[in-house]
Amino acid sequence: DGGITQSPKYLFRKEGQNVTLSCEQNLNHDAMYWYRQDPGQGLRLIYYSQIVNDFQKGDIAEGYSVSREKKESFPLTVTSAQKNPTAFYLCASSIASGGWEQYFGPGTRLTVT
Amino acid sequence: AQSVTQLDSQVPVFEEAPVELRCNYSSSVSVYLFWYVQYPNQGLQLLLKYLSGSTLVKGINGFEAEFNKSQTSFHLRKPSVHISDTAEYFCAVIDLNSGYSTLTFGKGTMLLVSP
Repeated sequence: DGGITQSPKYLFRKEGQNVTLSCEQNLNHDAMYWYRQDPGQGLRLIYYSQIVNDFQKGDIAEGYSVSREKKESFPLTVTSAQKNPTAFYLCASSIASGGWEQYFGPGTRLTVT
Repeated sequence: AQSVTQLDSQVPVFEEAPVELRCNYSSSVSVYLFWYVQYPNQGLQLLLKYLSGSTLVKGINGFEAEFNKSQTSFHLRKPSVHISDTAEYFCAVIDLNSGYSTLTFGKGTMLLVSP
């Protein structure tokens, strides 16, 4: 089955630690995205990548970093500089950037204490 | 920049009743519009999309939406809801005039269906 996997489902970290969230897709999609979801806030775009070895900042990129070394993978690192990292993080992909529908992974819930 | 407004944060409804979830977006000449559904602690699933053509779009699970360009709206409707429709619904837009790279989401509407 083709799809997007995110691991782990739940992640707990101490304040001050960096943490990396995994996102893998086997849909052969060029574009990948990271969103942050907070209650009542909808989805906010953190970073997106239109092609391997290229990525752009979204609306709330501060305190986050990404890499896109392989087409299938788009890991997100939440750094200690992110002031409020506790949230639900969603990864998505689409055939290409632009007007294509996005397919979402199941999400990772990160709790930082 | 494009923005999306979902006017209701929660919509309570009884099972088998009709429902409408409202969505308005910033004025733009050309847009693509989407509705997604999210069940608790899961990712988003596409319900339906409007790219061009007929303004009435039919999606999965009996949902439909109507694109109204003059009112910049894309309201989601279902004639008879089920308990299983309880979820959060997100409207999203791509503005084709902005280089159409990314989706802009509304803040979501929680549909609460009770027996």
